Amino acid sequence: NAGVTQTPKFRILKIGQSMTLQCTQDMNHNYMYWYRQDPGMGLKLIYYSVGAGITDKGEVPNGYNVSRSTTEDFPLRLELAAPSQTSVYFCASSPREATYNEQFFGPGTRLTVL
Amino acid sequence: GQNIDQPTEMTATEGAIVQINCTYQTSGFNGLFWYQQHAGEAPTFLSYNVLDGLEEKGRFSSFLSRSKGYSYLLLKELQMKDSASYLCAASDSNYQLIWGAGTKLIIKP
Repeated sequence: NAGVTQTPKFRILKIGQSMTLQCTQDMNHNYMYWYRQDPGMGLKLIYYSVGAGITDKGEVPNGYNVSRSTTEDFPLRLELAAPSQTSVYFCASSPREATYNEQFFGPGTRLTVL
Repeated sequence: GQNIDQPTEMTATEGAIVQINCTYQTSGFNGLFWYQQHAGEAPTFLSYNVLDGLEEKGRFSSFLSRSKGYSYLLLKELQMKDSASYLCAASDSNYQLIWGAGTKLIIKP
């Protein structure tokens, strides 16, 4: 099992550009999550999904969109990138609700917006 | 408001014992997690406590006091590979995870 994979590992965007961060898991987990991690701050939940076709906003959803057409994939879309979106993005999955179960994290995408 | 507090940085010696504290204030409580994160890598799960008391897993133990809003992670027989950040996260009444900023643990030989 590859676990949770994310692409790309690094990306530099110009202000106003758009991009999609890819996330795939091969553990057949229903629950998937997108977080951002800023230096000196805790993880912030952007969006989550409890199964294919179902997504919901987390704590910091503005400027992002997601879709969940399959159990395996949970891409995160950034529209009109802004410097405030410079961060490390982690995708995670869990077999059950993550607020009382272990989450499995991908390696992260380091995004810089200039 | 909801808040997690943990020290920013701690230093310990190889072979010693270190205790990393975490205090939390959440609207309701459904458990507390500890994750380890090496520099430049993803967090990995260490422990989950929902009842008061100590849970031991090899060199790592985690303690919870619900009445005090307090948890600690205890690392014994420290090894250089334990140098990492340790993240505390509490689950609130809406089953949302509130994450602390992490404690960077530096191990010296």
